[in-house]
Amino acid sequence: DGGITQSPKYLFRKEGQNVTLSCEQNLNHDAMYWYRQDPGQGLRLIYYSQIVNDFQKGDIAEGYSVSREKKESFPLTVTSAQKNPTAFYLCASSIRDTLGGDTQYFGPGTRLTVL
Amino acid sequence: GQNIDQPTEMTATEGAIVQINCTYQTSGFNGLFWYQQHAGEAPTFLSYNVLDGLEEKGRFSSFLSRSKGYSYLLLKELQMKDSASYLCAVTSNYQLIWGAGTKLIIKP
Repeated sequence: DGGITQSPKYLFRKEGQNVTLSCEQNLNHDAMYWYRQDPGQGLRLIYYSQIVNDFQKGDIAEGYSVSREKKESFPLTVTSAQKNPTAFYLCASSIRDTLGGDTQYFGPGTRLTVL
Repeated sequence: GQNIDQPTEMTATEGAIVQINCTYQTSGFNGLFWYQQHAGEAPTFLSYNVLDGLEEKGRFSSFLSRSKGYSYLLLKELQMKDSASYLCAVTSNYQLIWGAGTKLIIKP
């Protein structure tokens, strides 16, 4: 089955530790995205990548890093520089349709709790 | 600036009809998405409107007026499983701008 996977679903880390969240897709989508969602709030874009070996900062990139070495994979590292890392992290991928929109399809998300 | 407004929360009764509004002010416009998000889960795609008018998909319909910067999502024959947040998002210059979402509570 085609889709987007994120692992793990729940992750606990101690303050000061870096942690990497995985995101894999087998939809053959060029673009991939990382969002953060806090309780009762909308999605905020962290980083996005439109093609392999290229990525751009989103609205809240500070304290995060990414890589895009393969089309299928877009891991996100939450560094110790991120002041409030506890959140729900969502990965998405998209393909451009003929009308100019990029319908994004989401993975199941990773809920990160920093203790 | 870029702005998308939706009501924070709405309540409706099982079997009824509810309309969730979304207004936007963006520097560009390619289209408007509606997503459904159940608590603790990822958003799932509902609809994408590019042209003015109403598009119907079963119990769900989405309307767009580009001149007014306005869209709504219409849910008919509400079921308890429709309790979720509904996110409006606008594609502007090929970037997706998200609203904060509307939490819909369905009562029996």
